Amino acid sequence: DTGVSQDPRHKITKRGQNVTFRCDPISEHNRLYWYRQTLGQGPEFLTYFQNEAQLEKSRLLSDRFSAERPKGSFSTLEIQRTEQGDSAMYLCASSLRGEGSGANVLTFGAGSRLTVL
Amino acid sequence: QKEVEQDPGPLSVPEGAIVSLNCTYSNSAFQYFMWYRQYSRKGPELLMYTYSSGNKEDGRFTAQVDKSSKYISLFIRDSQPSDSATYLCAMGSSNTGKLIFGQGTTLQVKP
Repeated sequence: DTGVSQDPRHKITKRGQNVTFRCDPISEHNRLYWYRQTLGQGPEFLTYFQNEAQLEKSRLLSDRFSAERPKGSFSTLEIQRTEQGDSAMYLCASSLRGEGSGANVLTFGAGSRLTVL
Repeated sequence: QKEVEQDPGPLSVPEGAIVSLNCTYSNSAFQYFMWYRQYSRKGPELLMYTYSSGNKEDGRFTAQVDKSSKYISLFIRDSQPSDSATYLCAMGSSNTGKLIFGQGTTLQVKP
């Protein structure tokens, strides 16, 4: 297993177009996260899944954003009608979360950079 | 007010210096505290994490947590040019599945 994989690494699109990003987590991890990071800022939480269930979505996530994780394996993040403000790095992370209160250690992918012209 | 505050820097030090990176937080529910390192155009990678107040050491890195002051620190001893990166603090609790990140501090270690 080579870690968390994201595709594509860089996407350039025109305003108004739809884009989709894919994330393949570490195979034994049951949780999958999407974060957004803009230049000079830390990662900002968007949403996360435990297996196939989407457990939390950020209030900042507009209805143009949708994420899925069919069968609890890979995940896709789709952005419809892209705007210039959507330009950012979209980071995927995964973790293995069991019972108890242990630290939730996230392993990140290299990210998918979106540029909206 | 953000839940986690971190001075963005940039911080520039000579090789061999001791570096101190800090974060403050407002949510007393946070139970564990992490430091991630992020190189340019890469994803963040975990350096270390800790649960309780006090110090935790791993090689040249020491993480310090003061829950009473809601303040955490990362110290880097004998800093190297390869330590040049952005350092992100992150926090979480058993009540929530997500980590909350600070803004990140950019560090440059000059040879």
